[in-house]
Amino acid sequence: DVKVTQSSRYLVKRTGEKVFLECVQDMDHENMFWYRQDPGLGLRLIYFSYDVKMKEKGDIPEGYSVSREKKERFSLILESASTNQTSMYLCASRRDRGGTGELFFGEGSRLTVL
Amino acid sequence: GDSVTQMEGPVTLSEEAFLTINCTYTATGYPSLFWYVQYPGEGLQLLLKATKADDKGSNKGFEATYRKETTSFHLEKGSVQVSDSAVYFCALLTFRSARQLTFGSGTQLTVLP
Repeated sequence: DVKVTQSSRYLVKRTGEKVFLECVQDMDHENMFWYRQDPGLGLRLIYFSYDVKMKEKGDIPEGYSVSREKKERFSLILESASTNQTSMYLCASRRDRGGTGELFFGEGSRLTVL
Repeated sequence: GDSVTQMEGPVTLSEEAFLTINCTYTATGYPSLFWYVQYPGEGLQLLLKATKADDKGSNKGFEATYRKETTSFHLEKGSVQVSDSAVYFCALLTFRSARQLTFGSGTQLTVLP
């Protein structure tokens, strides 16, 4: 089974802090994604990556950056956390670049910014 | 742009009731359509999908039929169980956005014993 592991299930940070959310997948998938999930808004794509060292902006990239130094790891970075970034963050991976494959999700990281 | 509209939740049903969660979409071209489910405390997982008009996706007793004429992909189950309590997301994938899914806002389902 594919496993997507997010390093922290719950985080509490203060405004202005730098925050790292880590995601690792164990199935050699090429594509990786970061979404945020908010009530009534569904999932919104922040950033995605088709391959190592590649990244592309999603629908809401402002205030975020990403890093993909290794194929299995995709990190989401909040350079200076703000209260409006309090949310559930979901990482996902997909095997193929063609874009039709199933997405596999991690369990989520719930971030609270005070 | 592409978009997905789901019925507002939350939905509360008694065990063995019939379930329908409505999903309609707007898309350029011919999308593939998906239902994902998120059980409490877990990430999303694929429930079913359909890739062309009139296809029916099915899994775990759930079904959805791709209706091009009404741009809909409603999720149905004939007899829900308490274990079906979850959040359900409709999503689409088009050639234009072939590398990323567009999700609906999600519908919370609670099934009471």
